[in-house]
Amino acid sequence: KNQVEQSPQSLIILEGKNCTLQCNYTVSPFSNLRWYKQDTGRGPVSLTIMTFSENTKSNGRYTATLDADTKQSSLHITASQLSDSASYICVVSLNTGGFKTIFGAGTRLFVKA
Amino acid sequence: EAGVAQSPRYKIIEKRQSVAFWCNPISGHATLYWYQQILGQGPKLLIQFQNNGVVDDSQLPKDRFSAERLKGVDSTLKIQPAKLEDSAVYLCASSRTPETQYFGPGTRLLVL
Repeated sequence: KNQVEQSPQSLIILEGKNCTLQCNYTVSPFSNLRWYKQDTGRGPVSLTIMTFSENTKSNGRYTATLDADTKQSSLHITASQLSDSASYICVVSLNTGGFKTIFGAGTRLFVKA
Repeated sequence: EAGVAQSPRYKIIEKRQSVAFWCNPISGHATLYWYQQILGQGPKLLIQFQNNGVVDDSQLPKDRFSAERLKGVDSTLKIQPAKLEDSAVYLCASSRTPETQYFGPGTRLLVL
């Protein structure tokens, strides 16, 4: 069954600290993996997208990694800011003739001053 | 470029009433998606349009939900009659290529 599981469900960190969010997937055939940031009351916004051959992609203080062999991805946030408080959603796409996307439930990050 | 527009932003109705949501995608985006996002969960695809044709509506509860994109641009999603469990955020997204979707701000529905 095609699934995307994220951990932890929620996380509280102090401003300035780093954190890492995890995403494990059982999706086949894999096409790409994206991380989205969703602020409260807003739609998700894409942070990074990685294909099978890419194992790391950065966007400012956000760095995503992908291990296609173990089907794991992580999103590392460096020097967190209060504005990083949001839900981070891992999304995996598969291509079976047509694209299909599987969304994880998200990790809710709270950054405290 | 302008983003995906949705209206209304918030809606409160009583169960068994009807409600409709509107979405205007980014200009030139042929693919339009409607998602339901229940609190604490990731978005769940309800329906995907390619121009004015339906690509995937396998998870759309067709007994009460309907959607249309008659001219291949704007789209409406309707719920009739609404149930308590329909309380959620309804997200519209559009894309030019399958890899990246652009989401609107969503419509937050509360069914009492």
